[in-house]
Amino acid sequence: ELKVEQNPLFLSMQEGKNYTIYCNYSTTSDRLYWYRQDPGKSLESLFVLLSNGAVKQEGRLMASLDTKARLSTLHITAAVHDLSATYFCAVDVGNTPLVFGKGTRLSVIA
Amino acid sequence: NAGVTQTPKFQVLKTGQSMTLQCAQDMNHEYMSWYRQDPGMGLRLIHYSVGAGITDQGEVPNGYNVSRSTTEDFPLRLLSAAPSQTSVYFCASSYVGPGNEQFFGPGTRLTVL
Repeated sequence: ELKVEQNPLFLSMQEGKNYTIYCNYSTTSDRLYWYRQDPGKSLESLFVLLSNGAVKQEGRLMASLDTKARLSTLHITAAVHDLSATYFCAVDVGNTPLVFGKGTRLSVIA
Repeated sequence: NAGVTQTPKFQVLKTGQSMTLQCAQDMNHEYMSWYRQDPGMGLRLIHYSVGAGITDQGEVPNGYNVSRSTTEDFPLRLLSAAPSQTSVYFCASSYVGPGNEQFFGPGTRLTVL
């Protein structure tokens, strides 16, 4: 059974600082997705990582995938308040539904 | 495109009542699914469908029924609502197959008293 673990689950960081959210998974996969959820809202697709070594960047967020280590990272650069949200990773293991991590609740404070 | 739509946005039920949460998509997606989201539990898969006429159970199917008579629609039925079914329900779809990027609806917030 695939397990997807995110850490940390809660993150409070100061504006302007850098930080990384980790997504570890327990079985072979070469496709991983990152989603963002604002409070009271739905999930919005952030990044689609489709192969080993894939790196995607948008604004202050950069996601990468290391399939050999079974690890994806979501790096936040110079955090701003607008990045406060919950971030989920989701892993594809073939012809079965995506398995989601429990989410990382990020709070960026002044 | 409207994307994935869900109705109602909010619903309050009494224990034992039944109701149907509606989900529709206009993207011609083959795969559709239902999740519930509870504090601290992340997203849990209830039921999913890989195409019209085909449904399967997810992680937490008890107390819920689904059917998929058309590509566009995937309703979720609560047979006899219980307080444990108080949650936020999300419908999602993807073009082909369950392992592809999912597009989520806006959610239905359900309270069972």
